Amino acid sequence: TAGITQAPTSQILAAGRSMTLRCTQDMRHNAMYWYRQDLGLGLRLIHYSNTAGTTGKGEVPDGYSVSRANTDDFPLTLASAVPSQTSVYFCASSDGERDTGELFFGEGSRLTVL
Amino acid sequence: GQNIDQPTEMTATEGAIVQINCTYQTSGFNGLFWYQQHAGEAPTFLSYNVLDGLEEKGRFSSFLSRSKGYSYLLLKELQMKDSASYLCVGADSNYQLIWGAGTKLIIKP
Repeated sequence: TAGITQAPTSQILAAGRSMTLRCTQDMRHNAMYWYRQDLGLGLRLIHYSNTAGTTGKGEVPDGYSVSRANTDDFPLTLASAVPSQTSVYFCASSDGERDTGELFFGEGSRLTVL
Repeated sequence: GQNIDQPTEMTATEGAIVQINCTYQTSGFNGLFWYQQHAGEAPTFLSYNVLDGLEEKGRFSSFLSRSKGYSYLLLKELQMKDSASYLCVGADSNYQLIWGAGTKLIIKP
């Protein structure tokens, strides 16, 4: 099985432009998450979704939005990108209660905002 | 505040044993995870401890002391492929995950 698929793998974006990072899972997991990973810092939660139709804010939600129209897809949108959003973004899912179970990660999307 | 502390980098020799320590401060506690992350790749789950003691899984073991807010990951019979970052992650009372910055483990022949 594919697990979690993210797209694009990498992207260079001009500041002020919008961008959607795609995330699809085929494990039928209820919970999905978006994290960003920056050098020297731990993973930081941007947004999460416990089940289709619901979303919640994580630690660093500003400048990002998500939607969860169905179980499989959890896109992350940057409405107007800024250089501080340059990062590696990981989508993840789990099959249990939020944050109690093992997380399965996508391969990451490296975003550079100039 | 909530915090995870672990060394930034460690070096060990192929075939040896290495212990990566982690101390945590969380508001309440619902377990301690370890993840492995190779450079340029996604983190992958290694272990989960919620009770005190040692959990062994092949060459990898994880230990937890809740009274000391302390955990370690023990890697035996080190192989070159073990070169990676090891992420210590605590779960607080709301099951929010607090991620450490990771320990980069360098294995030398």
